[in-house]
Amino acid sequence: NAGVTQTPKFQVLKTGQSMTLQCAQDMNHNSMYWYRQDPGMGLRLIYYSASEGTTDKGEVPNGYNVSRLNKREFSLRLESAAPSQTSVYFCASRLDRGHEKLFFGSGTQLSVL
Amino acid sequence: SQKIEQNSEALNIQEGKTATLTCNYTNYSPAYLQWYRQDPGRGPVFLLLIRENEKEKRKERLKVTFDTTLKQSLFHITASQPADSATYLCALDTGGYQKVTFGTGTKLQVIP
Repeated sequence: NAGVTQTPKFQVLKTGQSMTLQCAQDMNHNSMYWYRQDPGMGLRLIYYSASEGTTDKGEVPNGYNVSRLNKREFSLRLESAAPSQTSVYFCASRLDRGHEKLFFGSGTQLSVL
Repeated sequence: SQKIEQNSEALNIQEGKTATLTCNYTNYSPAYLQWYRQDPGRGPVFLLLIRENEKEKRKERLKVTFDTTLKQSLFHITASQPADSATYLCALDTGGYQKVTFGTGTKLQVIP
């Protein structure tokens, strides 16, 4: 029972490099989310996808793009990484909107030098 | 502006006592309030959900209250154990797709 799987677990980038964070869930959930977590800031929503084929901006979308490849997979791309994007990134999913609990992956620790 | 406040100071408590964590919010009208537990290096794990028309919810040693007049939720762990040591996050859910907003969390340390 994998739940929400994120890859990679750790990544170090140089300023200006690009990379894609991968997320997949095997629970047949409709909604998927990308959050970042910084000390003292809590979890902040970057992008979300209410269903396959749709994506929308969250609270802090600048510098990121997303793709909802299919129902299972939701990727987050950094086109030109900046030190301010150093953070822990979490993918989450839930069955549908409203009142449902979120299931989180184990996170990706990203450092941008 | 919208704000969710959890005590940023760590809470240290003796084993066996009741731990009480606070979540206050302003400028929200949440339909649901959720509590999560997060261990170091791991993603948050859902614990409890309470609806706006519910005053209290219990699950084993956990109890959550929700006062929409005071705009506050209290999270209680009774008979606390060292294994309860973690960071606890409250999250407000207004029912829309994106509107799960998290507080910064309170770190609980249960001392044997």
